[in-house]
Amino acid sequence: AQTVTQSQPEMSVQEAETVTLSCTYDTSESNYYLFWYKQPPSRQMILVIRQEAYKQQNATENRFSVNFQKAAKSFSLKISDSQLGDTAMYFCAFMKLPYSFNKFYFGSGTKLNVKP
Amino acid sequence: EAQVTQNPRYLITVTGKKLTVTCSQNMNHEYMSWYRQDPGLGLRQIYYSMNVEVTDKGDVPEGYKVSRKEKRNFPLILESPSPNQTSLYFCASSLIQGALSGANVLTFGAGSRLTVL
Repeated sequence: AQTVTQSQPEMSVQEAETVTLSCTYDTSESNYYLFWYKQPPSRQMILVIRQEAYKQQNATENRFSVNFQKAAKSFSLKISDSQLGDTAMYFCAFMKLPYSFNKFYFGSGTKLNVKP
Repeated sequence: EAQVTQNPRYLITVTGKKLTVTCSQNMNHEYMSWYRQDPGLGLRQIYYSMNVEVTDKGDVPEGYKVSRKEKRNFPLILESPSPNQTSLYFCASSLIQGALSGANVLTFGAGSRLTVL
């Protein structure tokens, strides 16, 4: 079975600074997707970034980037120039490939507080 | 606007009183799924559906039922709710794509906060 671990239940960062959220996963699969989802106080789940395991290059979306270490099974999210609107719960998620009935495994979440 | 719509957003009920949480998507997605979110546990899958009349259990199906009579709708039914079903519930949908397609991204509803007294 796949497991996803987020070891930081809560983190704080000052506005405009950089913060890194950690995620590790356990799998015997070689091909899979990894995701970061954001859940602001509105509770809506929003996709932040996605990484395919077979791609060496780390994914980047504007101020959000990942550090994907396949051998270490680590998938951290870096948020640069943090903004107040980044305050949210962040979930790391895993989906194995080949096609697996869209089965997602979620971590327990990291609550990020961006302070003015 | 492409979206997944859940209703109700908030519900307080009592033990044993049957309730249904509706979910509807307008993106013609084949795949739909229900999750519950509990503190410290993240999101856990309750049931999923690959298409009309095709449903299967997720990780925590006990106490829940689902149906998929139409492609766009996937209601979650609690026949006899109990306090341990107090949770935040999410419906999600996606296209079904083959491997390496770049899709398989879940679109979530806004969540339904359920309290069972």
